[in-house]
Amino acid sequence: SSEVTQDPAVSVALGQTVRITCQGDSLRKYYASWYQQKPGQAPVVVIYDKNNRPSGIPDRFSGSSSGNTASLTITGAQAEDEADYYCFSRDSTGNHWVFGGGTNVTVL
Amino acid sequence: QEQLVQSGAEVKKPGASVKVSCKTSGYTFNSHYIHWVRQAPGQGLEWMGVINPSGDTTRYHQKFQGRLTMTRDTSTSTIYMELSSLRSEDTALYYCARDWSSGDSSWWLDPWGQGTLVTVSS
Repeated sequence: SSEVTQDPAVSVALGQTVRITCQGDSLRKYYASWYQQKPGQAPVVVIYDKNNRPSGIPDRFSGSSSGNTASLTITGAQAEDEADYYCFSRDSTGNHWVFGGGTNVTVL
Repeated sequence: QEQLVQSGAEVKKPGASVKVSCKTSGYTFNSHYIHWVRQAPGQGLEWMGVINPSGDTTRYHQKFQGRLTMTRDTSTSTIYMELSSLRSEDTALYYCARDWSSGDSSWWLDPWGQGTLVTVSS
């Protein structure tokens, strides 16, 4: 079982907004980073350090945090955003790290 | 540019060990921890452990305690992950990834290696 939990799947209409959440007690103390993984590819970081985007990541991706929940928002979802998304943070002991179970995003 | 290049696919029998390498380049080897992450077929990402190349210190997920060993070779800027007593459930794609941190509250992984498929089958 994962110490941080995500909804398994969400869908969004093309051009609309979708929010993916990650919940866990450790998120009250630690920030989450977010990864996009497309079939047959290694994960790629899309949000890190609260709400920063690496170069090359579109500004439609944003991150936020409140209480025990971290969120990744895609504003104006595009077909190429269809992928699995994972959150990553420290665990509740602070000694190890943990991934959320992943959220599959479908763009309709 | 900064790059992590992993060794090739492996096929092992149950009970055997596998050692996967992760060769780093494009940055100062000792300046970033390296994490190992695995992904079973059709499943999510699973954190396995981390090594500090500077001091060779490690932290492992309790699930792998006693079976997992991470080492480094500073002369070749390479990190190794060895998993022993393999079973069919260890069949997965294994990734190495470089750690970044900001203060004591934020961590992220970038870049990632290309992944190494380990198949455990009799």
